[in-house]
Amino acid sequence: DTGVSQDPRHKITKRGQNVTFRCDPISEHNRLYWYRQTLGQGPEFLTYFQNEAQLEKSRLLSDRFSAERPKGSFSTLEIQRTEQGDSAMYLCASSFSGQGLNTTEAFFGQGTRLTVV
Amino acid sequence: GENVEQHPSTLSVQEGDSAVIKCTYSDSASNYFPWYKQELGKRPQLIIDIRSNVGEKKDQRIAVTLNKTAKHFSLHITETQPEDSAVYFCAASPNSGGYQKVTFGTGTKLQVIP
Repeated sequence: DTGVSQDPRHKITKRGQNVTFRCDPISEHNRLYWYRQTLGQGPEFLTYFQNEAQLEKSRLLSDRFSAERPKGSFSTLEIQRTEQGDSAMYLCASSFSGQGLNTTEAFFGQGTRLTVV
Repeated sequence: GENVEQHPSTLSVQEGDSAVIKCTYSDSASNYFPWYKQELGKRPQLIIDIRSNVGEKKDQRIAVTLNKTAKHFSLHITETQPEDSAVYFCAASPNSGGYQKVTFGTGTKLQVIP
C-alpha cells in the first residue's frame, strides 16, 4: 500500500497517560496534516508541516499536544496527560505543493481511533 | 474564522434518484471547495472539488455548483447507486488547494435504498 499509513489503528488508554501516534505520508509529498474527527462531525484541522517545518497550529491544539516531523518524512503526534475529551479519530493527510504549481489533493490515512477511559 | 454549514444531516433516496447536498460558508476569502466521501470505518476521499473562478464542475454522475455571491455550494449526485451510500463532507478553504485551513461541514449521511 503506497498511500498514507497510520499506526496504530486503535488505541485505548487510561486517562492521564501519554500516547503517541505515527503517520507515514506518501513518499513524495512534502506537506503533512493532522486532523481530529469526533463522531458525527467533520475533520478539524490541528496542524500541518511543510517538510520538517511546522507552519501552523490550530487553537484546538492545546499544550498537551505536540507534533513533530523530524526528517520531513514521517510524523508523530503526542498527547500528554490524556483526557476523556481527547477520544476521537486522529487523521493524517499528505499532499505535494511545488513552487508555481497548485497543491495536489490531500490524501488521508485511515486514522488512529483513540479511546480514553 | 470560517464556518461551514451543511444540510441535510441525513438523506435517503431510492436507487436511481438524484441526491442534493447543500453547504454555506461564511468567509468571503474562501476560494476552494472540496467534497469528501467517507464510508463507514474508512478514510475520507476527495470526490470532486471546485475553485472560485468556476461556477459549476461535473464528473460523470457528480456535479458541484458554486454561488460566491450567496456563499452557497452544492453537490449533486444523479442516478444514485447503493455504493454511493456514505457520509459526504463539504469543505471550504481560503487557500486554493491549501488544506491547512480547510474547514469541514458536519456531514450528510446518504442512504441509497435499492
